[in-house]
Amino acid sequence: HSVVSQPPSASGTPGQRVTISCSGTSSNIGYRFVYWFQQFPGTAPKLVIYRNNQRPSGVPDRFSGSKSGTSASLTISGLRSEDEADYYCAVWDDSLSDWVFGGGTKLTVL
Amino acid sequence: QITLKESGPTLVKPTQTLTLTCTFSGFSLTGSGVAVAWVRQPPGKAPEWLTLHYGDDDKRYSPPLKRRLYVRKDTSKSQVVLTMSDMDPVDTATYYCAHYSTSNDIGFDIWGQGTMVTVSS
Repeated sequence: HSVVSQPPSASGTPGQRVTISCSGTSSNIGYRFVYWFQQFPGTAPKLVIYRNNQRPSGVPDRFSGSKSGTSASLTISGLRSEDEADYYCAVWDDSLSDWVFGGGTKLTVL
Repeated sequence: QITLKESGPTLVKPTQTLTLTCTFSGFSLTGSGVAVAWVRQPPGKAPEWLTLHYGDDDKRYSPPLKRRLYVRKDTSKSQVVLTMSDMDPVDTATYYCAHYSTSNDIGFDIWGQGTMVTVSS
């Protein structure tokens, strides 16, 4: 199982706000920046949040990130059908000296 | 505009060594603030980080795979080459290279399209 954990699925209707969580420990999320990636089937992951809550240029402001203690969250506001994808969190783990990815959350827009 | 593209065999046999090339453009792999990463993703599973090759020649490897991995850069060709020895069917995955930057701690900001590698006899 992954060192950082995510719920396997999440869902929402268009226009809703959805939050995806990423739970870790003091050796990773507790002291390191969290990153979030969006991935559509058959394509490469795309960075949507870096440094816990920063958006790369071109990422809509509907996407936001936060961190508290050893947990982090990705929130998508004003959900749209094109947001349906897999989402992964990633963080450096000081104990493992390794980048670790969450198991991924499949977001379904109902 | 930064782009990266992976190339290499699509099929390797168990125990063989895999060699993949990442050809990049739009940035210079020099200095300690930029790197090229390799990340793989088995079908239906989460990504797994493999290596980071910094522009100052510092290299980092995922500890569980370190003994099987080697990465080098060819600055003149704007390429980073990954070798992975003793391939096994569990190594079947899509292998991605990505631009990594410590500037503003942006991390793995640009990814290649990936190349699928199957390990089978």
